Amino acid sequence: EPEVTQTPSHQVTQMGQEVILRCVPISNHLYFYWYRQILGQKVEFLVSFYNNEISEKSEIFDDQFSVERPDGSNFTLKIRSTKLEDSAMYFCASRYSGNQPQHFGDGTRLSIL
Amino acid sequence: TQLLEQSPQFLSIQEGENLTVYCNSSSVFSSLQWYRQEPGEGPVLLVTVVTGGEVKKLKRLTFQFGDARKDSSLHITAAQTGDTGLYLCAGGGSGGSNYKLTFGKGTLLTVNP
Repeated sequence: EPEVTQTPSHQVTQMGQEVILRCVPISNHLYFYWYRQILGQKVEFLVSFYNNEISEKSEIFDDQFSVERPDGSNFTLKIRSTKLEDSAMYFCASRYSGNQPQHFGDGTRLSIL
Repeated sequence: TQLLEQSPQFLSIQEGENLTVYCNSSSVFSSLQWYRQEPGEGPVLLVTVVTGGEVKKLKRLTFQFGDARKDSSLHITAAQTGDTGLYLCAGGGSGGSNYKLTFGKGTLLTVNP
C-alpha cells in the first residue's frame, strides 16, 4: 500500500541552525500538510499546501518556517533559525482530493540542542 | 477555535473486556477521522465518518458520528492486547484546499493480558 515517507527519522541540530525536513507524499495526492507534536501534547496543524502554494497556515508557522515542493515528488519543511521550542515530532500528511482522509508519515523527531 | 476533547485520557483494561472512548466538541465538523498512533510512529487512519448518525464497523471496532456532527465514539468489543495504543480523533473543516485537521489529545489504551 502506498505510504508517506519522511526523512530523516531523527534530526539533531544546534539552536540557530537551519534544518530541512523532507517528505515524499503518496504519488497521486494533491494536498500536502505539515503537523507537529510536542512531546506529551496533541498533534497541531502547521501548514497546508495545494497547487504549489500555501493554502493555510497556523500561528505557529511564522517567518522562520517555509515549505516547498521542489519537484514532482518531494515536499519540504524548512526552519530557518531553530529554537529550543521547535523540538518536536514533525509529521507530513497528504490526501488525494475532496473529503478524502489524510495519510501520515512516521514523522521526523527534531531535537534542538 | 475548534477544540476536540477526548475521554478518558487513559484507560487500562483486561483482555476480553469491552470499552468505549469519546470525542466531543462544541463545533460542527464536516468529517471526523479516528487514527491510532504507536510510539515513535505517525497516526494510522482507522476510519472516516462524514454523515451525522453514521455508524461504521471495522472488525471489533465500531465508530459512531453524532447526529449533530459534533461528537464521536469508538467502541471496542472483546479487546485484545494488540489493541493497545493511542487513539486519536481528528475533525476536518469544510472541503477544498484547506481541510486542516484538528486533533484531540487522544486516549491511551492499555489492554492487559
